[in-house]
Amino acid sequence: NAGVTQTPKFRILKIGQSMTLQCTQDMNHNYMYWYRQDPGMGLKLIYYSVGAGITDKGEVPNGYNVSRSTTEDFPLRLELAAPSQTSVYFCASRPLDRAPEYFGPGTRLTVT
Amino acid sequence: AQRVTQPEKLLSVFKGAPVELKCNYSYSGSPELFWYVQYSRQRLQLLLRHISRESIKGFTADLNKGETSFHLKKPFAQEEDSAMYYCALKTSGSRLTFGEGTQLTVNP
Repeated sequence: NAGVTQTPKFRILKIGQSMTLQCTQDMNHNYMYWYRQDPGMGLKLIYYSVGAGITDKGEVPNGYNVSRSTTEDFPLRLELAAPSQTSVYFCASRPLDRAPEYFGPGTRLTVT
Repeated sequence: AQRVTQPEKLLSVFKGAPVELKCNYSYSGSPELFWYVQYSRQRLQLLLRHISRESIKGFTADLNKGETSFHLKKPFAQEEDSAMYYCALKTSGSRLTFGEGTQLTVNP
């Protein structure tokens, strides 16, 4: 299994541009998550999904959108990039409610 | 509301010295706590969880409900333990709340 994969690894965006961060897992996990990691701030939950077709907001959802049309994929969409969205984005998945989360390698995004 | 506090952003010890990374939480329900570790330029990975009561890489953590703490301890730190450590609290809806992290540096 490849586990949780994310693309791209790095991206530089101009203010106002849009992009989609891709996340795929091949472990048939029901639960998937998007976090952002800012220096000294820990990880903040952006959105999560408990199964295909079901998504919900986390702690910091503003400026982002998600969809979950399949079990494997959970893309994160930025519509109008802002400098405040400069961060490292991690996708994670877990199979069951009481199982630990498996994290992807992260996407480093810079908005200038 | 749930919260996880890691009071030390940076912690530096010498190889062979004991190390303790502090974690305090606030949560009205029954807590489920984890420690995650992130080595340089690697993804986060689970280190241990309180319900397992196990020792991983020499680290242990005991849940103290009276003090609402879940401190991570290792009696003899190694250079390869240098990493960012996150304490996390699992709350309702299968969500994890993370602390701000502690960067541990083990000096030779």
